[in-house]
Amino acid sequence: DARVTQTPRHKVTEMGQEVTMRCQPILGHNTVFWYRQTMMQGLELLAYFRNRAPLDDSGMPKDRFSAEMPDATLATLKIQPSEPRDSAVYFCASGRGRGVGETQYFGPGTRLLVL
Amino acid sequence: GNSVTQMEGPVTLSEEAFLTINCTYTATGYPSLFWYVQYPGEGLQLLLKATKADDKGSNKGFEATYRKETTSFHLEKGSVQVSDSAVYFCALSAAPQGGSEKLVFGKGTKLTVNP
Repeated sequence: DARVTQTPRHKVTEMGQEVTMRCQPILGHNTVFWYRQTMMQGLELLAYFRNRAPLDDSGMPKDRFSAEMPDATLATLKIQPSEPRDSAVYFCASGRGRGVGETQYFGPGTRLLVL
Repeated sequence: GNSVTQMEGPVTLSEEAFLTINCTYTATGYPSLFWYVQYPGEGLQLLLKATKADDKGSNKGFEATYRKETTSFHLEKGSVQVSDSAVYFCALSAAPQGGSEKLVFGKGTKLTVNP
């Protein structure tokens, strides 16, 4: 049963520290999405990759957030420096990249708390 | 821009009650429509989808029909179970030709089913 995996599942850190979240998409999927979920804003798309190339990161605060895909099996989302307002659940999702109507498969999320 | 509006929660029902969660959308082009479900502590998973007008998506006793004339995709289930307690998200993807599969989500509706 193929699944998207995310590490760590939980992270508590202090303001100003760097945070790195990792995602392993389902083997064979060529699109990867990063979402942030908060009570106030709901689910927001932060970044979107196809074949490891960033297609859209317009939802991501550029000054402190960065997203990369070093290889096809790993996507990373970094926050430097972190702030309390970054506290949220961060989800990674992957898909087969077949266009509109394609299902996205979500990981279990990383719950981040910045003190 | 594209947007999804779904009914505010929370919704509390007794087991075997009828469920309706309303969802309406605004989109350019011809969107695909989705319902995702999030169980406590987990990531989202696809419940059902419809990719063109008048299509009906169904899964696990849930149904939703893509109504272009009313721009709606309401979720229904005839008899809910305690295990259906979760947060339900309506979503759409709509892209220009060759464009992205980005999902736009509604705010989510929390459903609690009591025995």
